[in-house]
Amino acid sequence: SAVISQKPSRDICQRGTSLTIQCQVDSQVTMMFWYRQQPGQSLTLIATANQGSEATYESGFVIDKFPISRPNLTFSTLTVSNMSPEDSSIYLCSVATAAVDYGYTFGSGTRLTVV
Amino acid sequence: DQQVKQNSPSLSVQEGRISILNCDYTNSMFDYFLWYKKYPAEGPTFLISISSIKDKNEDGRFTVFLNKSAKHLSLHIVPSQPGDSAVYFCAASHQGAQKLVFGQGTRLTINP
Repeated sequence: SAVISQKPSRDICQRGTSLTIQCQVDSQVTMMFWYRQQPGQSLTLIATANQGSEATYESGFVIDKFPISRPNLTFSTLTVSNMSPEDSSIYLCSVATAAVDYGYTFGSGTRLTVV
Repeated sequence: DQQVKQNSPSLSVQEGRISILNCDYTNSMFDYFLWYKKYPAEGPTFLISISSIKDKNEDGRFTVFLNKSAKHLSLHIVPSQPGDSAVYFCAASHQGAQKLVFGQGTRLTINP
């Protein structure tokens, strides 16, 4: 299965600032997914990032708040903009593997705390 | 609307015994189900999956059962080992969507 390198692993940020999270995959993938896990909650899909096109956002998430870049088939970034304490979460990127039985592979996550 | 539900936030099992984690779903369009294990400070790790055309899938100590009429799936771990202590998430998807819908997770603790 694919190996994903995600960074930073954690950060503490001031409210009103922005943080960009990077995910690098060791193989070319068509779609990359960005998830959020709020404290004590389930993982929720933020958006799906396709190379060469605009990301597709889920209900409740907007591009101005979570802009995504997908410059090539192995890399994507998620920016959390104008942060507030409510944005404190774990953010994870994910890719679908070629063999369906292997499921989806996740990065190690970015633990964001906004103060 | 929580389409995938794990109603037990925690479960404690003695080492060597069977662990049974449960998951219910409401969307009849889901046709692929997965279980993930998550340790603190790590991303979820894929464990086992099952397609809706099957009712059972086994991989070593892990078996997933699917009851489509009840919209229920369960993960059996036998025998349970201390290293199985983690948070377990069930997830579901439907053909063409590719995205996953996750349950809230169940924290499994294996006691020696």
